[in-house]
Amino acid sequence: EAGVVQSPRYKIIEKKQPVAFWCNPISGHNTLYWYRQNLGQGPELLIRYENEEAVDDSQLPKDRFSAERLKGVDSTLKIQPAELGDSAVYLCASSLQRLAGELFFGEGSRLTVL
Amino acid sequence: AQSVAQPEDQVNVAEGNPLTVKCTYSVSGNPYLFWYVQYPNRGLQFLLKYITGDNLVKGSYGFEAEFNKSQTSFHLKKPSALVSDSALYFCAVRPLGNEKLTFGTGTRLTIIP
Repeated sequence: EAGVVQSPRYKIIEKKQPVAFWCNPISGHNTLYWYRQNLGQGPELLIRYENEEAVDDSQLPKDRFSAERLKGVDSTLKIQPAELGDSAVYLCASSLQRLAGELFFGEGSRLTVL
Repeated sequence: AQSVAQPEDQVNVAEGNPLTVKCTYSVSGNPYLFWYVQYPNRGLQFLLKYITGDNLVKGSYGFEAEFNKSQTSFHLKKPSALVSDSALYFCAVRPLGNEKLTFGTGTRLTIIP
């Protein structure tokens, strides 16, 4: 079974440029998460989807961050414009509700903003 | 609000010795507790979870964790450490009925040959 797929793995951009990350969850997983992991820190939730509905986006900086999961499968996280402080690893995860919260993570997208 | 504390940033253990990585939590109601491991430049991998039942939970790669409700702790343990166990370990908690999973800041485990 294929795991959670993320792209790109690495991205280097200059500040004020836009960037987008893509995630394809494990087939059949209805819950999708975007986390941000700063260096030396644990992951912090940005947004959680149940199918195509964003059910928790309280930690998403909505002035510059946006996300979508149009058909309830894959998802895109966008930052526009990027700031120096956005440098981090962006992790996507998926889960089946019936598994009581076990999340399966992708390998992450490492963003460096210069 | 829920939270997780991992009091040790770094734990060093000699190969073959037992290891413990500490975790305490704060949550309203009954907790679901998890341990994840992260290898360099990789995503997080699930190790084990406590939902209900036996307080001693066994997981992948010979790891186990003990849930202690009175001490609000969920320490990760292994009887005999391997060099390949060297990685970053994260404890996480979510309350029953709440989908939000909150992670600790991680503990870097180094096994010394």
